[in-house]
Amino acid sequence: KAGVTQTPRYLIKTRGQQVTLSCSPISGHRSVSWYQQTPGQGLQFLFEYFSETQRNKGNFPGRFSGRQFSNSRSEMNVSTLELGDSALYLCASSLAQQGGMNTEAFFGQGTRLTVV
Amino acid sequence: AQKVTQAQTEISVVEKEDVTLDCVYETRDTTYYLFWYKQPPSGELVFLIRRNSFDEQNEISGRYSWNFQKSTSSFNFTITASQVVDSAVYFCALSGKRGSQGNLIFGKGTKLSVKP
Repeated sequence: KAGVTQTPRYLIKTRGQQVTLSCSPISGHRSVSWYQQTPGQGLQFLFEYFSETQRNKGNFPGRFSGRQFSNSRSEMNVSTLELGDSALYLCASSLAQQGGMNTEAFFGQGTRLTVV
Repeated sequence: AQKVTQAQTEISVVEKEDVTLDCVYETRDTTYYLFWYKQPPSGELVFLIRRNSFDEQNEISGRYSWNFQKSTSSFNFTITASQVVDSAVYFCALSGKRGSQGNLIFGKGTKLSVKP
């Protein structure tokens, strides 16, 4: 069974540009969450999608957005990149059903974004 | 507010020693879930265990064991007879929203180094 796949693995962008990261969840998983990991702030929740709808959102500015497609694949977009956006962006998928019990999240290897 | 505290930033042990990683959480939810994840140098978070707030039984899985105590809001993780392969960053996480895998609140992590 294939795991969570994130592309690309590494990315270097210039300040002011925008970037799109992709996440393919485990087959059958309908929930996809995104996290930002930095040395200073640690792991922080960005947002969660379930069945193409954003179900939860963390405390990030509107420059951070995402979407989920009908096949559960998800993309995350960051516009007007800032130096502080340099981080490891992790995607997690889970079986979590609407109103059901929390199940474990399976994480991808992440996309390391460097903003210069 | 929900919060997870891992007071130990780094721990270094010699192979075969036992080591306990501490986790203290704060939540006002009556139903919540606690998790431990391992992050090896490759970057992806590896799920280790999930525990719901109604199940205070300790759990043992091979060399790993977990001690959940609601009275002290702690969910500690012990590795018995540590091995070099256990070297990684370990994260404790809290999820308060039933059915939603998002909103995982992570601690800052404990970096475990096991020396041969």
